[in-house]
Amino acid sequence: GQNIDQPTEMTATEGAIVQINCTYQTSGFNGLFWYQQHAGEAPTFLSYNVLDGLEEKGRFSSFLSRSKGYSYLLLKELQMKDSASYLCADMDSNYQLIWGAGTKLIIKP
Amino acid sequence: IAGITQAPTSQILAAGRRMTLRCTQDMRHNAMYWYRQDLGLGLRLIHYSNTAGTTGKGEVPDGYSVSRANTDDFPLTLASAVPSQTSVYFCASSENRGGGAGELFFGEGSRLTVL
Repeated sequence: GQNIDQPTEMTATEGAIVQINCTYQTSGFNGLFWYQQHAGEAPTFLSYNVLDGLEEKGRFSSFLSRSKGYSYLLLKELQMKDSASYLCADMDSNYQLIWGAGTKLIIKP
Repeated sequence: IAGITQAPTSQILAAGRRMTLRCTQDMRHNAMYWYRQDLGLGLRLIHYSNTAGTTGKGEVPDGYSVSRANTDDFPLTLASAVPSQTSVYFCASSENRGGGAGELFFGEGSRLTVL
């Protein structure tokens, strides 16, 4: 079967660090994606992991453990503009993206 | 500005009517996709096209059809709209389907309400 799980909503404070977790169970695996989606807007690409480990891109980092079917997105030095939904998606053996429902991140001053 | 353009951005439609959502990209991407996004659910793939002249069914294709006559355009048609098709529809493209990062570029979405 194919299933993506991520928390529905998280709250964090401006300037802090937050980790958004994602677990997946997919028939075959061709990479794990994170997208950011502001309310009423289109999703935009954040990161792609296909090998185990941490990929860092400025304030955002993404981690993957294929053996555990687990990924997380780490956001540092949170800013108000980071308030958005974060979508986890994995690419299955047919190169189709399977999407989680998204984690709504609320940043408080 | 290069990217994907969708039209209309919003539409209210009577049940039983036919509706076509338009999607055009100018990035010369081979692959294009139509997704629907509903509250509490992940993006669900309706149809896709790996290259001009070919199309394929996604996870939720029933009630929808697509065509890919050229590289740039990928319209989605609802032959006879039903209320369960009320959703936000996103068109997306990628350089190729699968392989490498396969980053998707999304249009701004079309909000469709079927009454």
